[in-house]
Amino acid sequence: SQELEQSPQSLIVQEGKNLTINCTSSKTLYGLYWYKQKYGEGLIFLMMLQKGGEEKSHEKITAKLDEKKQQSSLHITASQPSHAGIYLCGADKGRGSTLGRLYFGRGTQLTVWP
Amino acid sequence: DSGVTQTPKHLITATGQRVTLRCSPRSGDLSVYWYQQSLDQGLQFLIQYYNGEERAKGNILERFSAQQFPDLHSELNLSSLELGDSALYFCASSGPGGEQFFGPGTRLTVL
Repeated sequence: SQELEQSPQSLIVQEGKNLTINCTSSKTLYGLYWYKQKYGEGLIFLMMLQKGGEEKSHEKITAKLDEKKQQSSLHITASQPSHAGIYLCGADKGRGSTLGRLYFGRGTQLTVWP
Repeated sequence: DSGVTQTPKHLITATGQRVTLRCSPRSGDLSVYWYQQSLDQGLQFLIQYYNGEERAKGNILERFSAQQFPDLHSELNLSSLELGDSALYFCASSGPGGEQFFGPGTRLTVL
């Protein structure tokens, strides 16, 4: 079965520090999604990557999908307490009829202390 | 605010009962997805509808069913509830671009 491995499982950083979260698959990723979730709340869409080598940024968050489309990283620059939460990567099961059927990693819990 | 609405926000019921969760997608989105999030299993895809028709099924139990109505809202029906069905249930919707936007979820507690 397809699985997404996220690392680290948890991360505690001081405000202002940079950090990176990784999402790795043993199979080709046809669509890679990054979401942020506050505990017990809904998922906030951050970015979707589809092409090998693609990179997208929004405010202080940058996500990349490697050329082989098997690994993605999420980088936060100058972290703030507002960045705290659970970051989830999700991926499409495949092409065609399964497009949109996402499977997710277990998440990375980010804590930012002032 | 993602534009996806879900009701109710919380639901507490007893084992053996039946409940219905409701979802309204973002305006213009034809696809609706249902996911279940639990501590044991993480976030898992249950079922997808596109413009009223079932498109894909995931790890959805036979006790669970869903439908999408002509106005595109969707309902997830859970019956013969068990303690293990306690979880957060999310609805998501997407348009032509494929990005899935999630609702705030319904927290189901089965006692």
